[in-house]
Parts: sequence; C-alpha cells; structure tokens
Amino acid sequence: GEDVEQSLFLSVREGDSSVINCTYTDSSSTYLYWYKQEPGAGLQLLTYIFSNMDMKQDQRLTVLLNKKDKHLSLRIADTQTGDSAIYFCAERTGGFKTIFGAGTRLFVKA
Amino acid sequence: GAVVSQHPSWVICKSGTSVKIECRSLDFQATTMFWYRQFPKQSLMLMATSNEGSKATYEQGVEKDKFLINHASLTLSTLTVTSAHPEDSSFYICSAGGGQTNNNEQFFGPGTRLTVL
Repeated sequence: GEDVEQSLFLSVREGDSSVINCTYTDSSSTYLYWYKQEPGAGLQLLTYIFSNMDMKQDQRLTVLLNKKDKHLSLRIADTQTGDSAIYFCAERTGGFKTIFGAGTRLFVKA
Repeated sequence: GAVVSQHPSWVICKSGTSVKIECRSLDFQATTMFWYRQFPKQSLMLMATSNEGSKATYEQGVEKDKFLINHASLTLSTLTVTSAHPEDSSFYICSAGGGQTNNNEQFFGPGTRLTVL
C-alpha cells in the first residue's frame, strides 16, 4: 500500500545544516512535497519536486530525490531558531490523493 | 499562493451537539477539497475528498453519517461533526485544489481545533 516514513526527531545547533529524510513506497508518485507546521497552525508548503527531477534548490532549501530508492531529503542550510517546527514529507499518488508522513520535529538549539 | 480560510479557528462544544466547520478558498475556485484530521503529535489523516456538486468520497474507517461533508460551491466546503463525543476532539484541517492551482498543489487552511466536553 501507500506509505511515507520519516524519522520523528532532529536536533541541530543554530547555523548548522539540517537534513530531514523520508522514504515512500508508491513508485507512481508524481509530486513529492515538504510542508512545515508550526504549533497550533495549519500546513505551509515549503517546496516540492516533480518525480522526474533529482534535485531542487530554493534559497536555503535543497531537496534531493532518489527515485530508485524512493528516498527524499530536505536540507535546510544555516538553520535558524525560527525553523523549529514539524516538517511533513508527502507524496502525490496517481490522481489527487496526498499521503503524509508522520512528521519530523526539528529542534534548533541557540 | 492561494488562500484557504477555515471558520471557526477553534470551538468548544458539549457532548451530543453538532458542530459545523467551514472551509473557503478565497481567491481561486477549488474543484476539489480535502478534509484531514490530526491528533496531537501525529500526522494528518485524510478523512474524505469532496468534489463540487457531488458526494464526498470517504476514506476507510471514516463514518460518513457522523462526518457530513457538503461542497456546494467552488469556494466553500463544510464539515459537520454530528452528535460529537470527546473522542472527536481533534484538529481538523481542510485543503483545496484544482481549478486555477498549479502543479496539482493543495492549499491548506489554518485548521480548526475542536474540543468536545
């Protein structure tokens, strides 16, 4: 079935890079997304990558996609305390259905 | 990006009452709207998908008679939690997509926190 997995916690020091990893199972995924959720708030789309790409860079964010291994990662350069949040990986399967991972809680230490 | 609003942002109700949550796409027409439920420290669970003018498609395990969804227009979908119980307390998030959105993107509302006493 469709499944998205990611690690639950990541702790980094301010100024370091953060790398959040995700694996998915549906090889027919069209888009893969990274969302950010701050406490008590809805989801904010950070970035996305189309399944025929292997890398996308957007300012401090770099997304790497290994389609063969069904592995997606999000790298945040120069991590700031304001980056502390939960980051959800999600895949868009055939049609319009989006499957979310459990979320990775990022802690940024000053 | 496109804006999706939800109303109310939070609601407290007594057990046995019904609660209606509205989801609106403010600057685009959404042919499809999704309703999710999120428990504390957990991921989003898709409850149902609704297309304007047709019946909602519910995910397995979601009671359609308890969670009534109406998508009467291209900018409004409502979720009514009927005869609410404390175990229905959760964060409900809607998203909207289709129409003029790009890359099959969904735009999420800010969520509604429901507490049933």
